[in-house]
Amino acid sequence: DIQMTQSPSSLSASVGDRVTITCRASQGIRNDLVWFQQRPGRAPQRLIHGASTLHSGVPSRFSGSGSGTEFTLIISSLQPEDFATYYCLQYNAYPRTFGGGTKVEIK
Amino acid sequence: EVQLVESGGGLVQPGGSLRLSCAASGFTVSDHYMDWVRQAPGKGLEWVGRITRKTDGDTTEYAASVKDRFTISRDESKNSVHLQMHSLATEDTALYYCAGRGFVDWGQGTLVTVFS
Repeated sequence: DIQMTQSPSSLSASVGDRVTITCRASQGIRNDLVWFQQRPGRAPQRLIHGASTLHSGVPSRFSGSGSGTEFTLIISSLQPEDFATYYCLQYNAYPRTFGGGTKVEIK
Repeated sequence: EVQLVESGGGLVQPGGSLRLSCAASGFTVSDHYMDWVRQAPGKGLEWVGRITRKTDGDTTEYAASVKDRFTISRDESKNSVHLQMHSLATEDTALYYCAGRGFVDWGQGTLVTVFS
């Protein structure tokens, strides 16, 4: 199985900060990666697919990059509604596997 | 408007069975891949399994943790997918989501609690 290692597991940041979250795959997955946002008590929402393609309606302050084994989600200027947990998911192979999540908290 | 609504969760003893349903509106489930994802209380997301679209053969894939115990199927007449779960264990306790169209659409989840 492909292991997805996400870091950090949590971070504290202020409104307006630039936030970077990383996902590392245990083997190459091309760009077969999705990023999700999950707010407390809510279902996940797809932010980015294909490692870098923003889902319709997602604010442009979110961006994704990477290919192969290293991937990054960047929030360029953190907004109050962005405090949530973020997950990556690889869809290159079965079983699909999620990263462990990154909880973004208010500093 | 696209909507997914899960149902069928509840309390069950170890070794028991449950059948979850996911009713879709706004799109046809047989035209899309449908996934089940679960989340144990306070934990991260875990992919459970998938059924491919009809044109790709209706094949199913599962996580190792549920293979041979869980089965995903589709009911075209009800535009629904189902997750049949057998031999449930306490570690299967989770909120179960269905997701469609490449994880674009998600239901609100249905809670399964396996207690001894």
